[in-house]
Amino acid sequence: GENVEQHPSTLSVQEGDSAVIKCTYSDSASNYFPWYKQELGKRPQLIIDIRSNVGEKKDQRIAVTLNKTAKHFSLHITETQPEDSAVYFCAASWRGSQGNLIFGKGTKLSVKP
Amino acid sequence: EAGVTQSPTHLIKTRGQQATLRCSPISGHTSVYWYQQALGLGLQFLLWYDEGEERNRGNFPPRFSGRQFPNYSSELNVNALELEDSALYLCASSSGTSDEQYFGPGTRLTVT
Repeated sequence: GENVEQHPSTLSVQEGDSAVIKCTYSDSASNYFPWYKQELGKRPQLIIDIRSNVGEKKDQRIAVTLNKTAKHFSLHITETQPEDSAVYFCAASWRGSQGNLIFGKGTKLSVKP
Repeated sequence: EAGVTQSPTHLIKTRGQQATLRCSPISGHTSVYWYQQALGLGLQFLLWYDEGEERNRGNFPPRFSGRQFPNYSSELNVNALELEDSALYLCASSSGTSDEQYFGPGTRLTVT
C-alpha cells in the first residue's frame, strides 16, 4: 500500500525566513497531494493541493512542487509569520479504488518573532 | 456554507465498553472518511463511505465499524474499547467529483 514519509519532524525559523517541508510517497499511482495545517486543538485545514499532471502550484506565500519521477513533493512557505506556527501534514491519495488519504507524520513549524 | 460537524466533542468510556461517534458532512458531499489521530502517530485512515456503502477500510480490527445513512451522515462504532483507542477521531467529507477532503473538529475519545 501507499506510504508517505515527511521531513523534518520539527522546524524552527525566524520570522520572515522561508520554510520547506518535504514528503516522499511510494505508490506511483498516487495522483493527488494535499497539504493540511493543524493549529493546536483545531481541525486540519486544507491549505494547498497539487495533482499529478501539474509540477508546481502557488497561492500567495505558499507553494507546492511535485516531482513524479522521484516521487516527492514539497511545501514552501515564504516570508513566514508567527501565525504560520502549526503542525503541517502532507498526504497522498490514489483516487479510484481508494480515495482515502495517506498522511505523513507531520512537521511542527515554529516561527520565532 | 456549514462545515463538517461531529458529535460529541468529548467522550469518556471504560475499557470494554462501546463508543458511537457521529459525523455530518458538508451539504452536497456524499463521501465520508474517518481518521484516527493518536498522539505522535499522525492521522491514520479508518473507513471510507460513499453513497451509503463502505468503499475501503484501513488496517484496523473489525471492532471498528460504521455506516452511512441516506442523508450521508455517518456513524463510527468502536466495540470492546481498549486503552490504546484513546485518540482524536476526525471525520472528513468530499463531493463525488472532487479529491478535496474537509475535516470536522473531531471527537476526543478517552478510554480509562
